[in-house]
Amino acid sequence: DIQLTQSPSFLSASVGDRVTITCRASQGISSFLAWYQQKPGKAPKLLIYAASTLQSGVPSRFSGSGSGTDFTLTISSLQPEDFAAYYCQQVNSFPRTFGQGTKVEI
Amino acid sequence: EVQLVESGGGLVQPGGSLRLSCATSEFTFGSYSMTWVRQAPGKGLEWVSAINDSGGETVYADSVKGRFTISRDNSKNTLYLQMNSLRVEDTAIYYCARKMGSGTYPDDYWGQGTLVTVSS
Repeated sequence: DIQLTQSPSFLSASVGDRVTITCRASQGISSFLAWYQQKPGKAPKLLIYAASTLQSGVPSRFSGSGSGTDFTLTISSLQPEDFAAYYCQQVNSFPRTFGQGTKVEI
Repeated sequence: EVQLVESGGGLVQPGGSLRLSCATSEFTFGSYSMTWVRQAPGKGLEWVSAINDSGGETVYADSVKGRFTISRDNSKNTLYLQMNSLRVEDTAIYYCARKMGSGTYPDDYWGQGTLVTVSS
């Protein structure tokens, strides 16, 4: 199985900050990586797929990059509604594993 | 708007069974692969199982293989997860999700989840 390691696990930030979350795969997955946002009590929401393609309706302050084994999610200017947990997921092969998550807190 | 609504969760004793359902609407259900993902209380997301559009191909996480069965009824626009030999560690919110398209795409629409509690 492909393991995904996210860092950091917790991130304390302020409104307006630039935030970067990384996701490292245990083996190469080309660009088959997605990022999700999850708020408490809610289902995950797809933000980015194919490593860097913004899902329809997602604000442009979110961006993704990387290929192979190293990936990054960047929020260019953190907004109050962005405080949430973020997960990467590889869709290169089954089982479609998730990273352990990054909680972005105020 | 695309909708997915899970049901069937509840409290069950270890060793027991439950069948979850995911009723869908506002998209052509029979054209999409579907997924179950779970989340234990306070924990991260765990991919559980997937099924292709026709129902002829299924895949499972090792943690549930041999105990859970994913299926679908395209005439009823509904996805199922039959869970047998339940364990305490199966306690989680179970989400159904729609795979975005054919090929290596993620899940773009998710239900609100149904809670399964396995406890004596």
